[in-house]
Amino acid sequence: DSGVTQTPKHLITATGQRVTLRCSPRSGDLSVYWYQQSLDQGLQFLIQYYNGEERAKGNILERFSAQQFPDLHSELNLSSLELGDSALYFCASSVGRGGASYTFGSGTRLTVV
Amino acid sequence: GQQVMQIPQYQHVQEGEDFTTYCNSSTTLSNIQWYKQRPGGHPVFLIQLVKSGEVKKQKRLTFQFGEAKKNSSLHITATQTTDVGTYFCAGRPTNYGGSQGNLIFGKGTKLSVKP
Repeated sequence: DSGVTQTPKHLITATGQRVTLRCSPRSGDLSVYWYQQSLDQGLQFLIQYYNGEERAKGNILERFSAQQFPDLHSELNLSSLELGDSALYFCASSVGRGGASYTFGSGTRLTVV
Repeated sequence: GQQVMQIPQYQHVQEGEDFTTYCNSSTTLSNIQWYKQRPGGHPVFLIQLVKSGEVKKQKRLTFQFGEAKKNSSLHITATQTTDVGTYFCAGRPTNYGGSQGNLIFGKGTKLSVKP
């Protein structure tokens, strides 16, 4: 157990639908990062939040949005889902704005059918 | 934009052979980190290198950070089946990474080990 909790572990949904992925960072970590990993691909940076504020934005589609709540948990919302959105979505956390190492959660595997 | 290139993309070795993966950054890095992702797992932090020319060892793993702080390598001596997985380097640019975040990941090297 890395200390970063992601739910659900698996999600199967139809095209056009909307889903929400949830992440609870490791205790004491203020930054949350979201990454997308497609089959046999690298880690695609989506977005970072630090203490409730958006800190950096990567190649995140307009159909995707995220937020970090006062209790520091974060949610990634994916809407108008397409087959190509099927991937593993990782959340990671770190202590500060980004100076330390990242602790990754076990991921949410999204399958769009 | 800033990039971290990692080679090779795949490496197949016989158990007992050595393995090396290389990272090259387009810009100077303040530090570089290495992560390992086991099949079906999530990336796990291995080590961070900060100083120019730094070399660190973890048992059979040797990590190096180049003198110019733009490249790094991970060398595994006498691979074992437990070494199977994808190894990612991640560089922190001296200038903020912007749209790539503050840690730029290489695409990883997938290591398979034949017993």
